[in-house]
Amino acid sequence: GQNIDQPTEMTATEGAIVQINCTYQTSGFNGLFWYQQHAGEAPTFLSYNVLDGLEEKGRFSSFLSRSKGYSYLLLKELQMKDSASYLCAVMDSNYQLIWGAGTKLIIKP
Amino acid sequence: EAGVTQFPSHSVIEKGQTVTLRCDPISGHDNLYWYRRVMGKEIKFLLHFVKESKQDESGMPNNRFLAERTGGTYSTLKVQPAELEDSGVYFCASSPKPDIYGYTFGSGTRLTVV
Repeated sequence: GQNIDQPTEMTATEGAIVQINCTYQTSGFNGLFWYQQHAGEAPTFLSYNVLDGLEEKGRFSSFLSRSKGYSYLLLKELQMKDSASYLCAVMDSNYQLIWGAGTKLIIKP
Repeated sequence: EAGVTQFPSHSVIEKGQTVTLRCDPISGHDNLYWYRRVMGKEIKFLLHFVKESKQDESGMPNNRFLAERTGGTYSTLKVQPAELEDSGVYFCASSPKPDIYGYTFGSGTRLTVV
């Protein structure tokens, strides 16, 4: 079957760094996405990885290892507005998004 | 450019009633997807339209769910009759092609069946 695993909840301090991990098993692979979702709002695109390695975009970076079925999202210089759910999703061979349950990130002052 | 629009944003109905959710994709996006997130669980794929045709409806949970996309523009998702387990957030997304480019989500419809 297809499976995406990520931690349910994480807590971090304002100004610090946090790493959210995601492991996956899917039928086919056409890339891995990270989305941010604030309560009551649509998921918003953060990053896309299809090749192994690190993609950096400002305070956010995303890493992918296809051989290990593993990705992480790294958030630096955390701000209170980063409190949200972070969703890992893999696009399978049929171009469908398979979603993880999301990681709720709580930022404390 | 207007984004993907869904309405209503929130619907509360009684078990056994009928509800119709609507999604207006970004203009020109041939591909339209419906997803659902039930409380505490991950988002699940429901179906995929290419223009007015159902490309893949393997995620539709049962025959109480009917999706249409007349004329290849907006889409509706009807639940009839609604059951308690249908409660959740229903997301719509659209893209120009069936790949990652321009893949945009709507803000979702929160359905509560009581």
